[in-house]
Amino acid sequence: DTGVSQDPRHKITKRGQNVTFRCDPISEHNRLYWYRQTLGQGPEFLTYFQNEAQLEKSRLLSDRFSAERPKGSFSTLEIQRTEQGDSAMYLCASSSPDRDRSEQYFGPGTRLTVT
Amino acid sequence: DAKTTQPPSMDCAEGRAANLPCNHSTISGNEYVYWYRQIHSQGPQYIIHGLKNNETNEMASLIITEDRKSSTLILPHATLRDTAVYYCIVSLRHMEYGNKLVFGAGTILRVKS
Repeated sequence: DTGVSQDPRHKITKRGQNVTFRCDPISEHNRLYWYRQTLGQGPEFLTYFQNEAQLEKSRLLSDRFSAERPKGSFSTLEIQRTEQGDSAMYLCASSSPDRDRSEQYFGPGTRLTVT
Repeated sequence: DAKTTQPPSMDCAEGRAANLPCNHSTISGNEYVYWYRQIHSQGPQYIIHGLKNNETNEMASLIITEDRKSSTLILPHATLRDTAVYYCIVSLRHMEYGNKLVFGAGTILRVKS
């Protein structure tokens, strides 16, 4: 179990630029989640995948955000035309298909700063 | 909105038990109580979860009241490394639904030497 990994760990970008983050879940996990966390707040749910299917999207996920999980393994989260309000920690989590293992395992996050 | 209420902060002496309370008065019959913690600058870490029975694992114990409207997370011998934000979350288990987690503000636990 190598854990959930995210890349990059930090990203600084100028307003209006596009950014893409990658998440590699634990290998046998079929569910993958994206959350966003701003300073001093708890994480907020953005979207989740079961295998390659995106099954739920939060209203927080505006049209500028898109997430994919093309082969049911790694996932990418893209933000187009970034705004200063997008500055946050973006967290990825995965969970097992095992009925008795419902907990989510989180990666270290990607910290985005939009200048 | 989060379905749970937690105190904003608590202090605990190193080596003593830390008891973190959580109110979830609107919990439904098929919702579980999950606890996660987040150490500074890291992703959240799963601790424990339960439905109605008390649960114990290598990290902590979870005590759920009989009416399920509140629970307490117990760290039996707190260490400085347990200093973190602790989140109590009510959620359905993922095999039925997506089990998205709705985090509140959590409790900042400070373990002091």
